[in-house]
Amino acid sequence: DAGITQSPRHKVTETGTPVTLRCHQTENHRYMYWYRQDPGHGLRLIHYSYGVKDTDKGEVSDGYSVSRSKTEDFLLTLESATSSQTSVYFCAISESWGVLQETQYFGPGTRLLVL
Amino acid sequence: QQQVKQSPQSLIVQKGGISIINCAYENTAFDYFPWYQQFPGKGPALLIAIRPDVSEKKEGRFTISFNKSAKQFSLHIMDSQPGDSATYFCAASKGGGADGLTFGKGTHLIIQP
Repeated sequence: DAGITQSPRHKVTETGTPVTLRCHQTENHRYMYWYRQDPGHGLRLIHYSYGVKDTDKGEVSDGYSVSRSKTEDFLLTLESATSSQTSVYFCAISESWGVLQETQYFGPGTRLLVL
Repeated sequence: QQQVKQSPQSLIVQKGGISIINCAYENTAFDYFPWYQQFPGKGPALLIAIRPDVSEKKEGRFTISFNKSAKQFSLHIMDSQPGDSATYFCAASKGGGADGLTFGKGTHLIIQP
């Protein structure tokens, strides 16, 4: 998984609870992404980061926030978890320059269940 | 609005046959088209990718065909093997891809021995 770890790998939480997922990379890549994967929807971009403290919204950002205080860590926070946020969450990274910029490497995923 | 449409949703192919998955896109600003392979419980992994300046790219048993005028691209898996059974996603990005990939909904491929 290209030097990407996600924690926790599995989590069960209750509606209304804040949840933070962590993505950690050892590749020193500039770009980091959070996607969610749901049956029948493929993968959809939640937020992404193009550098430390530089983040932007993706297609499905409502209800989520992110932070990146170090190159290697990208945190995804569900401010008040809802059942619709039950999903598998993937972190991805990509290199910062050249023709390899678009190649995204994915982590192993975090399976989140919101009851 | 779904910007990348993928078909079929599921596909069963006999061992040794050719698997074909199709995608169509709407945004003409897309300039990079990767295919990802995903096994159960794993993250997607890049399989092969193409840019619109070429009409075909081949890597081993995997070939991407690209039709810029029709805004379509497809993945062909030659001599399909049971180990190819997985979910395949097409995707697209623009402007270097820094703002992320837009994915199709995926195709669940089963290769029967």
